[in-house]
Amino acid sequence: EAQVTQNPRYLITVTGKKLTVTCSQNMNHEYMSWYRQDPGLGLRQIYYSMNVEVTDKGDVPEGYKVSRKEKRNFPLILESPSPNQTSLYFCASTLAGTGNEQFFGPGTRLTVL
Amino acid sequence: EDQVTQSPEALRLQEGESSSLNCSYTVSGLRGLFWYRQDPGKGPEFLFTLYSAGEEKEKERLKATLTKKESFLHITAPKPEDSATYLCAVQAIRTNAGKSTFGDGTTLTVKP
Repeated sequence: EAQVTQNPRYLITVTGKKLTVTCSQNMNHEYMSWYRQDPGLGLRQIYYSMNVEVTDKGDVPEGYKVSRKEKRNFPLILESPSPNQTSLYFCASTLAGTGNEQFFGPGTRLTVL
Repeated sequence: EDQVTQSPEALRLQEGESSSLNCSYTVSGLRGLFWYRQDPGKGPEFLFTLYSAGEEKEKERLKATLTKKESFLHITAPKPEDSATYLCAVQAIRTNAGKSTFGDGTTLTVKP
């Protein structure tokens, strides 16, 4: 089954404790993205990657890091999480080219205390 | 900077009562405009891609249209299962194809 998986699905942590949210896709897509979704602010793109070792900032990259060492994986790293990073996070993947749909993962709900 | 504004923020309809959702956008050269549906607690699901003014696409009770400044998602004779949040997104020609800007969404509730 074609899918994007994220782990963990739920995470409660404390300020400053480094964490990684994993994202994996099995569709051989070139593009992958991370978004955060907050009430009243919609979906905002954090980082995206157009292929292995090629990443670029989205609209809200501060406080986040990403890496793309393999085509199928695109982890999101919060080196020193803060309460304002409490949010619902989505990973997405897309086949390269114009107009192709993004396939979204199920989401990771992160709470930083 | 690319901007996407969706209206209304929330829409309540009776079953069978047709209506439209609006997505106004500001982008320097449109690569594509996308509509997604999002159910509570889930990731968005793709509905349509539109590329140029005058283009229309249909899927069951949904029809998306595009002008140079806005897109409409028309819902004909909606059913309760159409209740969801509908998201609009744009990609600009001047940016990488991986870069997307989303609106805040319209939450549709269809009452039986």
